[in-house]
Amino acid sequence: AQKVTQAQTEISVVEKEDVTLDCVYETRDTTYYLFWYKQPPSGELVFLIRRNSFDEQNEISGRYSWNFQKSTSSFNFTITASQVVDSAVYFCALSEASRGNTGKLIFGQGTTLQVKP
Amino acid sequence: DARVTQTPRHKVTEMGQEVTMRCQPILGHNTVFWYRQTMMQGLELLAYFRNRAPLDDSGMPKDRFSAEMPDATLATLKIQPSEPRDSAVYFCASGLGTSSYNEQFFGPGTRLTVL
Repeated sequence: AQKVTQAQTEISVVEKEDVTLDCVYETRDTTYYLFWYKQPPSGELVFLIRRNSFDEQNEISGRYSWNFQKSTSSFNFTITASQVVDSAVYFCALSEASRGNTGKLIFGQGTTLQVKP
Repeated sequence: DARVTQTPRHKVTEMGQEVTMRCQPILGHNTVFWYRQTMMQGLELLAYFRNRAPLDDSGMPKDRFSAEMPDATLATLKIQPSEPRDSAVYFCASGLGTSSYNEQFFGPGTRLTVL
């Protein structure tokens, strides 16, 4: 069965600290896609990144970086030099290609990140 | 700046009343999703449309919920009759294409409170 686990419910850091948000997924599909979304206090979900199961290359975008490891079924997200504006709930999500390509997203429970000044 | 819009943003109603939530997907997008977010269940898919046709509504309680797309610019989610356990934030998302790879763009959500 498909599942996404974000074991960290809440994380609190002080500004400029690095922080890593963990995501572990379960799927029987060989082709799947992993996503990270950010939900700021305003409530809207904002797309951050997408990864397909055949591309294990890590990605860096400014202060954000993602580490995808199929061997451990993990897709972790690191924020370097965190800022107060990074405070939000972060969701990891899985989409399986075999289920008729519905695009259905299976979300983790989310990690609330609080960055203190 | 194209965005998914949802109305109303907030709705407070009494148990037993009908609730209608509306979503305008991004122009040109052919897929529309309805998600519900609660503290207990997190984000869960309720229904999914592609080219206005419902493809997956397995996550939706059929006895009280209904989802439709009267046209390509409007998706609706109705609850009749509403119950306190329906209190949640309901998100609409739209996307372009038919692949699981495609990014979904989320609206701001409708916060529903059923008393």
